[in-house]
Amino acid sequence: SAVISQKPSRDICQRGTSLTIQCQVDSQVTMMFWYRQQPGQSLTLIATANQGSEATYESGFVIDKFPISRPNLTFSTLTVSNMSPEDSSIYLCSAHPLLSGYGYTFGSGTRLTVV
Amino acid sequence: GIQVEQSPPDLILQEGANSTLRCNFSDSVNNLQWFHQNPWGQLINLFYIPSGTKQNGRLSATTVATERYSLLYISSSQTTDSGVYFCAVTQAGTALIFGKGTTLSVSS
Repeated sequence: SAVISQKPSRDICQRGTSLTIQCQVDSQVTMMFWYRQQPGQSLTLIATANQGSEATYESGFVIDKFPISRPNLTFSTLTVSNMSPEDSSIYLCSAHPLLSGYGYTFGSGTRLTVV
Repeated sequence: GIQVEQSPPDLILQEGANSTLRCNFSDSVNNLQWFHQNPWGQLINLFYIPSGTKQNGRLSATTVATERYSLLYISSSQTTDSGVYFCAVTQAGTALIFGKGTTLSVSS
């Protein structure tokens, strides 16, 4: 299965600033996904990132706040814009399995604290 | 959309005890995975198990797809088993949908 490198692993940011999170996959994958995990909660899907087209956002998430890029089949970025303390969460990327019969893989996560 | 329910929400065990975690889902799925999230937030894939039974050391899992549930068994629990266990499902290539998780605390 694919291996995903995600960075940064953690960051502390000032409110009003933006942070870009990167995910690099070691194989070409069709779809990538971005999740947010607020403190003490489960993972919530932010959007699906498709190569060559705009990301598809879930209800409650908008492109202006969480712009996503997918320039090729092995890379994606998520930007958290104009941050507030409520954006403090773990952000994770995931990749669709390369072959049927295998599970989805996840990056190691980015722990974001906004002060 | 598909609903995923996990039980129990919290579980406290003494080291060496056995436990069973349950995951119910509301519709047919073609992917079901169990994950362990450690205290550092890293998500560890335990099983890919849309149907049938698998075992890996002290852990095993069973999914009965026709009845829409999956079970995760932990035997002879250790303090390192502590953390949150998530069940996640998907249909036809869409994103994984996660349950709310079971928080396991194992004390020595």
